[in-house]
Amino acid sequence: AQTVTQSQPEMSVQEAETVTLSCTYDTSENNYYLFWYKQPPSRQMILVIRQEAYKQQNATENRFSVNFQKAAKSFSLKISDSQLGDTAMYFCAFMKHSRGGMLTFGGGTRLMVKP
Amino acid sequence: NAGVTQTPKFQVLKTGQSMTLQCAQDMNHEYMSWYRQDPGMGLRLIHYSVGAGITDQGEVPNGYNVSRSTTEDFPLRLLSAAPSQTSVYFCASSFTGTSGRHEQFFGPGTRLTVL
Repeated sequence: AQTVTQSQPEMSVQEAETVTLSCTYDTSENNYYLFWYKQPPSRQMILVIRQEAYKQQNATENRFSVNFQKAAKSFSLKISDSQLGDTAMYFCAFMKHSRGGMLTFGGGTRLMVKP
Repeated sequence: NAGVTQTPKFQVLKTGQSMTLQCAQDMNHEYMSWYRQDPGMGLRLIHYSVGAGITDQGEVPNGYNVSRSTTEDFPLRLLSAAPSQTSVYFCASSFTGTSGRHEQFFGPGTRLTVL
């Protein structure tokens, strides 16, 4: 079974600064996907960024980027130029390549962006 | 497209009552899933489906039944509600796509309280 661990229950950052959220996972699979989801107070789950394990290049989506270290089983999220709207819970998630529809989530990190 | 819809948004049950949480998607997605989110925790997979007529158990299936008679609908049944089932329930759908990429689309959630 896979496990996903987010070791930072809460973090805060000043507006316009950069913050990094940590995620580690444990799996014996070689082919899989990793995701970061954002959950604002509205509780809607919003996909932030996706990484395919077979790709060595780190994924980037505008102000969001990841540092994917496959050997270390680490998948951190960097948010640049933090905005007040980034305040939310952030969840790291794992999915086997052959198991569409089956995500394993970490416990989440609550991020507060301060003005 | 309406995306993934869930009804009801809120529900209060008494211990022992049964009910069905409805989930529908209009994107012709092959995969559908049910998750529960307990306070301060990540989402945990209850049941999932890889297509009409095919369902399987996730991490926390006890006390819940599912069926998938159509591609669009994936209802979750609570057989005899217990206070431990107080949670927020999310339905999600996803597809593989021609590139093999997966993205799960989440519904808005149902907040269930069992007294």
